[in-house]
Amino acid sequence: DAKTTQPPSMDCAEGRAANLPCNHSTISGNEYVYWYRQIHSQGPQYIIHGLKNNETNEMASLIITEDRKSSTLILPHATLRDTAVYYCIVRGYSNYQLIWGAGTKLIIKP
Amino acid sequence: DTGVSQDPRHKITKRGQNVTFRCDPISEHNRLYWYRQTLGQGPEFLTYFQNEAQLEKSRLLSDRFSAERPKGSFSTLEIQRTEQGDSAMYLCASSLQFGTGVTGNTIYFGEGSWLTVV
Repeated sequence: DAKTTQPPSMDCAEGRAANLPCNHSTISGNEYVYWYRQIHSQGPQYIIHGLKNNETNEMASLIITEDRKSSTLILPHATLRDTAVYYCIVRGYSNYQLIWGAGTKLIIKP
Repeated sequence: DTGVSQDPRHKITKRGQNVTFRCDPISEHNRLYWYRQTLGQGPEFLTYFQNEAQLEKSRLLSDRFSAERPKGSFSTLEIQRTEQGDSAMYLCASSLQFGTGVTGNTIYFGEGSWLTVV
């Protein structure tokens, strides 16, 4: 079973920040939080990952709570092309297997 | 393009035929993974290789499924005697076993190979 819980769907207005939450209350100290997204009919796209510090790259920011039991992916200025299913995954450093939950279907509205 | 490459992207086959999918990983990646995804579900892990060794194959769905990575570079996934239930997207991914830097040993996916069994 997936180690994460995400809302099944969210809407966001184009140009606004999209904040996607994820709960991972059973995360272990050496497990990372990864985010991927999947646009319809395409392969999953890596977005960002982190261990305990907040992270930012050209696509998004990842905010991890101090107790590491939850995190938030932030897309700072959502566009229509960000409409996708977003998956939050907990993974040990060298674990070979990603266990996928149902993800959050994010719909960006004009 | 230096990403994970999969071929063919789409395959329609008759029930009972054999099909083979090819995956070319990111060139320096020593780990290669196969996943399957059906409509409305997240990807499901099938098997993975570290270099040419297949280290986990217990998740292959049946003995009709097999995978190879003969020289530790590209890989093939073969499905023998296809059934309608095999219709799905087959995803290949690759990573380093131990990575450094920002992306570390992140797993990167290809665009997938869609299989339709009629």
